[in-house]
Amino acid sequence: DAKTTQPPSMDCAEGRAANLPCNHSTISGNEYVYWYRQIHSQGPQYIIHGLKNNETNEMASLIITEDRKSSTLILPHATLRDTAVYYCIVRVTGTASKLTFGTGTRLQVTL
Amino acid sequence: EAGVTQSPTHLIKTRGQQATLRCSPISGHTSVYWYQQALGLGLQFLLWYDEGEERNRGNFPPRFSGRQFPNYSSELNVNALELEDSALYLCASSSTGTWDEQFFGPGTRLTVL
Repeated sequence: DAKTTQPPSMDCAEGRAANLPCNHSTISGNEYVYWYRQIHSQGPQYIIHGLKNNETNEMASLIITEDRKSSTLILPHATLRDTAVYYCIVRVTGTASKLTFGTGTRLQVTL
Repeated sequence: EAGVTQSPTHLIKTRGQQATLRCSPISGHTSVYWYQQALGLGLQFLLWYDEGEERNRGNFPPRFSGRQFPNYSSELNVNALELEDSALYLCASSSTGTWDEQFFGPGTRLTVL
């Protein structure tokens, strides 16, 4: 699986959009981009995933660049409850490929 | 619907001992995944079980092993415990092996003294 690079931390004001970047320059054509988050002392929570088209669900939007070497997770209106560590992972879905979560981005939402 | 459950919540062992961690997936889920989260590190993939078979394992020594039972629950065994095995061990389940959406349990915190 391709490796990912994320900034270690970010701040965002409540009510503003939080844009979390992820670089995955070695991504293969059949690898998906997944985002999870882990709120303190809880298990990770699935957010969204995509292959090459932008995706949106009730939690967030995922913007993948045309060359697929980077992506951005967008939380349109961040709240204090969105404070968490956000993990970007790339892997081939439906196969037995190995996967690794990096250290993620610690998002701090402030008043 | 009950979520993924793990037991025990906390486990304290000494070096050289063995630890057994248990996980019950969401009803209907056949895949179980184990992860290690050591302090200051991200989640590290340990093992993946589906339909009773080990499908994949991460870069961990053989003293980390496990199994999946006919009811799809799973055990993670760690033999010859070392201090650096102290971590939060998370179990996740999914309805298929496609890993599209994994549901995580609360974890077992293992402390090795």
